[in-house]
Amino acid sequence: GAVVSQHPSRVICKSGTSVKIECRSLDFQATTMFWYRQFPKQSLMLMATSNEGSKATYEQGVEKDKFLINHASLTLSTLTVTSAHPEDSSFYICSAEVPGGGYTFGSGTRLTVV
Amino acid sequence: TQLLEQSPQFLSIQEGENLTVYCNSSSVFSSLQWYRQEPGEGPVLLVTVVTGGEVKKLKRLTFQFGDARKDSSLHITAAQPGDTGLYLCAGARSGGSNYKLTFGKGTLLTVNP
Repeated sequence: GAVVSQHPSRVICKSGTSVKIECRSLDFQATTMFWYRQFPKQSLMLMATSNEGSKATYEQGVEKDKFLINHASLTLSTLTVTSAHPEDSSFYICSAEVPGGGYTFGSGTRLTVV
Repeated sequence: TQLLEQSPQFLSIQEGENLTVYCNSSSVFSSLQWYRQEPGEGPVLLVTVVTGGEVKKLKRLTFQFGDARKDSSLHITAAQPGDTGLYLCAGARSGGSNYKLTFGKGTLLTVNP
């Protein structure tokens, strides 16, 4: 089946630095990918929709200058958390639309900002 | 913004008991999906229901989509400790430029041995 590979699975960074998270579709082309944020024991909150070759669409309240999304190819979308702060610590998950319908999710990235 | 109300939010039961999780909305969805998520991992799709009134079974799990396609339920029979996890319902709307999922808040299920 369609698989999305997300890296890294865990990252610890210092406050003020930037972190890049990658999401790759391994055996299909993903024109649309989604980035979610999840706090402990809570549901997924959609941050933005990433469209190949165009600007991402951000949900209300999500700072586009802080969470930079790039979808330069049909198999790769990246989320960069710029100038990270402890409050950005969270579990970030990407998802992609699968050809024929449905969605598949990455395994998530646990970001800890110290 | 469409909301999916999922209940209960937390559920702790003994092995062998039955349980039902509900997902309700005032909006109509073209399809509804149920996911199970374990700590530190991404959600894994359990089932997609598309037709109003549809019932799908997956071993001890029974999924139902309401006739009006606004609500859904997940019933687990004879729960086992391996069923422990976060269960998420998510509704999808077709059409438009943003074909995205709306997630419920999740049900954290703990099955005690």
